[in-house]
Amino acid sequence: NAGVTQTPKFRILKIGQSMTLQCTQDMNHNYMYWYRQDPGMGLKLIYYSVGAGITDKGEVPNGYNVSRSTTEDFPLRLELAAPSQTSVYFCASSYSGSNNQPQHFGDGTRLSIL
Amino acid sequence: TQLLEQSPQFLSIQEGENLTVYCNSSSVFSSLQWYRQEPGEGPVLLVTVVTGGEVKKLKRLTFQFGDARKDSSLHITAAQPGDTGLYLCAGVDNTDKLIFGTGTRLQVFP
Repeated sequence: NAGVTQTPKFRILKIGQSMTLQCTQDMNHNYMYWYRQDPGMGLKLIYYSVGAGITDKGEVPNGYNVSRSTTEDFPLRLELAAPSQTSVYFCASSYSGSNNQPQHFGDGTRLSIL
Repeated sequence: TQLLEQSPQFLSIQEGENLTVYCNSSSVFSSLQWYRQEPGEGPVLLVTVVTGGEVKKLKRLTFQFGDARKDSSLHITAAQPGDTGLYLCAGVDNTDKLIFGTGTRLQVFP
């Protein structure tokens, strides 16, 4: 039972570099989400998708881009890494919207920008 | 922006003690979820409360949703080291997205 799989688990980037955080789920969930979690804080929503081909901004989308070409995959792209993007990134999925539906989370990608 | 404040932020107790974690907001939520997160892992859902005043029990954990659906509490009876972790409340807002609380980090010592 893979659930939500995120790669890589750890990454160090230099300022200005770009990278893609991968997320895939095998539960045939329609909804997918990207969050960031800063030390001592809760999770903040970056982007979400309600189905293939549909994406929308969350609370903190600046500096990030997403795409959803398939139901399974929801990659998150950082184009010009900045120190403020140092965080732990979590991908999640759910069958439908959040009301009464649990979100299933991956184990996170710990990203440091130096 | 809707905010969910959790208290206390940190809690360090001995095995066998009872504790309560609070989750408060000035906003109304259609439902509220509680998650537990262990180091190096993502949050895992514990429970969802939907109706104002609702009480749900999960073994030694008791969850309550406030009558006005603006706040919630988590009470743990006879805490055990296995209860150690970060507890997060998350309210479902009027756009059907989760708003996460600030988190309560619990450490239970044997």
